[in-house]
Order: sequence, then structure tokens, then C-alpha cells
Amino acid sequence: NAGVTQTPKFRVLKTGQSMTLLCAQDMNHEYMYWYRQDPGMGLRLIHYSVGEGTTAKGEVPDGYNVSRLKKQNFLLGLESAAPSQTSVYFCASSRPGLSSEQYFGPGTRLTVT
Amino acid sequence: KNQVEQSPQSLIILEGKNCTLQCNYTVSPFSNLRWYKQDTGRGPVSLTIMTFSENTKSNGRYTATLDADTKQSSLHITASQLSDSASYICLHNYGQNFVFGPGTRLSVLP
Repeated sequence: NAGVTQTPKFRVLKTGQSMTLLCAQDMNHEYMYWYRQDPGMGLRLIHYSVGEGTTAKGEVPDGYNVSRLKKQNFLLGLESAAPSQTSVYFCASSRPGLSSEQYFGPGTRLTVT
Repeated sequence: KNQVEQSPQSLIILEGKNCTLQCNYTVSPFSNLRWYKQDTGRGPVSLTIMTFSENTKSNGRYTATLDADTKQSSLHITASQLSDSASYICLHNYGQNFVFGPGTRLSVLP
């Protein structure tokens, strides 16, 4: 099992460009999450999904959109990138229940210039 | 003010020594308190999850304690190894609310 994988690993964008981060999991988990991690701060939840076709906002959803068309995939989109979105993005998945253990991917390092 | 604070910010110890990391939270109510290990350039890996009714949980050389009355948790690492060098992150969870601490950076030297 690969667990949770993220594509791409690194990306540099110019302000105003758009991109999509892909998260895939092979553990048949119902729940999936997108976080961002900034220096000196804790991880912050952007969006999450409790099942195929459903998404919900987390703590810092502005500037991001998500889609969960397939159970194993969770996409994070930036429609118009801003320098404030420079961060490391982590995807995670878990069994049903927001108290379940989460399994994290390796992260995507995004720089917006 | 952070709702989950961790101390120390960084710590250096010698291989074989024990250490204790602290996590204080002000967030209420409470479902569970989690500790993660994050190696440089990698995603966090779960070490322990404690519910309100649990006051200690072990995972090998890692032992977490929880005092819900004082809203404090600690992670004790026994007989440290070089591979323990990482950031250790505390998470307070209630429902869809996940509040992570900023982490403690541990360096274990030979």
C-alpha cells in the first residue's frame, strides 16, 4: 500500500496563476483533509470531506476550492494564487469519524512569487 | 494567542537520555488530544490519541499523559535514539475543529 500520496511535490507559481493539488489514498478511507503548514504555526485545516461528493470548510478555506469526485481522490484548487498561499500543503485521510486517526501524505511545497 | 501552546520550542539532548515535551491547551470542549512526530520534509505520523477519560497512553518508548483538569499534556521519550530527531506536534480535536500546536523541535546528538 502506498498510503497517502500527493502530486506534485514542489511547485512555483506566479501571482494570479491557478493550479490543482492532487491527493490520493489507497486505504479505502471515507474522510479526507487538506491542511497548510506555515513556519512557526501549527497545521491549519483548509477543507475536509466526509465522503465522495461531499466537502466542508475548515479553519482557513478562503482562496481554495476542493472536490471529491472519487472516494480515493481529494483535489485542492487555487484559482488565483497569492503570495500568502506560499506554504506546505498536507493531505490526510482517516476512517469515518472526525476523531479517527489521520494518515498524512508527504506534502507539497508551494511557492507563489 | 495560540489555543495550543508547546514547550520548549526546541530541545537538544544526548542519545540515550530521556526527555519530556509539554503541551498546554485552552480550547474547550474536548474530544481527544493527539501527539504526532514529523520528520523534516515528511508528513506527521500519529504517536498517541487520548480521549477525555484517558490519562496515559504509550507507544513503545513514547508515553503521553493528559491532565484534563489543568488542560496539560506531556510526551515523554525514553532512552532517546538518533531517529527521534524530529518535530513533535500536539493536536487538540473537537468535532471538526483541529487545533495544532506549533511543535517542539527535538535534536538527539550522538
